[in-house]
Amino acid sequence: DAMVIQNPRYQVTQFGKPVTLSCSQTLNHNVMYWYQQKSSQAPKLLFHYYDKDFNNEADTPDNFQSRRPNTSFCFLDIRSPGLGDAAMYLCATSRETDRAGAQYFGPGTRLLVL
Amino acid sequence: SQELEQSPQSLIVQEGKNLTINCTSSKTLYGLYWYKQKYGEGLIFLMMLQKGGEEKSHEKITAKLDEKKQQSSLHITASQPSHAGIYLCGADGGSGNTGKLIFGQGTTLQVKP
Repeated sequence: DAMVIQNPRYQVTQFGKPVTLSCSQTLNHNVMYWYQQKSSQAPKLLFHYYDKDFNNEADTPDNFQSRRPNTSFCFLDIRSPGLGDAAMYLCATSRETDRAGAQYFGPGTRLLVL
Repeated sequence: SQELEQSPQSLIVQEGKNLTINCTSSKTLYGLYWYKQKYGEGLIFLMMLQKGGEEKSHEKITAKLDEKKQQSSLHITASQPSHAGIYLCGADGGSGNTGKLIFGQGTTLQVKP
């Protein structure tokens, strides 16, 4: 089945230790998104890629970076995780950025920072 | 900036009962999406509405976008325990075709057997 896959599902890291979260998709969608969702809150967009074009949200901290080496994969790098970065990180894809289609989400990676 | 407000914030219903969740936008909606999320998991796409007055159904879930395109409702008929979860409405939060979704705060639904 075509889908959005995130690895790992759970990640524990230490304060200040870089961590990378992975997302892959078999939908062949042009756009890949990363959202941060803190406990009992709505998901908040960090950035997205349209093909190879990177689009950062204005309020996304510099601590968060992303890479998209090819259509199928997108990575979220947190350079120096703080306690406040503990959250669920959701990857999503869509065919285009227009309003014609929905975004499809992966199962998420729950990040714990010790 | 656009904001989405959902009501109620939480809901407990007896199995078999009908229920409605509302999503009200501070601005005109050009695309409204309903998602379901189980605790600790990703979002599952339910439905997308684009035109004022549009109504879509899937199994026992019906969503409507009102004529003025500033409110949507999600109605579940004859609720089942499998309907339990968090329902989120989402809308295009950008000034154009940005792909940026903003979400309401979610409505937590519990269905008692």
